[in-house]
Amino acid sequence: GEDVEQSLFLSVREGDSSVINCTYTDSSSTYLYWYKQEPGAGLQLLTYIFSNMDMKQDQRLTVLLNKKDKHLSLRIADTQTGDSAIYFCAGGKEGRRALTFGSGTRLQVQP
Amino acid sequence: SAVISQKPSRDICQRGTSLTIQCQVDSQVTMMFWYRQQPGQSLTLIATANQGSEATYESGFVIDKFPISRPNLTFSTLTVSNMSPEDSSIYLCSVEGAGNTIYFGEGSWLTVV
Repeated sequence: GEDVEQSLFLSVREGDSSVINCTYTDSSSTYLYWYKQEPGAGLQLLTYIFSNMDMKQDQRLTVLLNKKDKHLSLRIADTQTGDSAIYFCAGGKEGRRALTFGSGTRLQVQP
Repeated sequence: SAVISQKPSRDICQRGTSLTIQCQVDSQVTMMFWYRQQPGQSLTLIATANQGSEATYESGFVIDKFPISRPNLTFSTLTVSNMSPEDSSIYLCSVEGAGNTIYFGEGSWLTVV
């Protein structure tokens, strides 16, 4: 089955860029997602990328996919204190819409 | 995007009791999913609920403990039966939206005492 790994913690200063990394094992993963979970809340879909893409940009968010290394990253430009949360990457594949989640990365933004 | 409502949002339950969580979606969806997030952990898939057929459970989860109903294309329930403190978790409903997007509800936060 799929394994998805993330670093547990990242601390940045307000205004800097944040880069959250994720690696996955299943090369047949077709869809890769990033979710944000704030304290006491559910999961908010931030963005997603298909395996036939290398990059996707959406306002302050940039997703990079390196299929060769099975590495996914989420870059948040101009990080704000409101970006403090846990960020999960998750993978799914054609024919299986259920997702396998990473352990989550806690992003702390220091003023 | 799909709007997903879950009830209850939070509950404190006595051990040995059962609780049914409801998930309502604002549009018809083929597949609905139930996940569990234990305290400080990531999400684990419990089962996939399809309308008109039995739910498909993941390894480690059984129907007797987590019975699921899917009476129509916009609604599902998950029951957590005979609860113990180890069942204290967030239970999340998820659906597939347009364009392969996957959305989650706000979760149902259960504490078993």
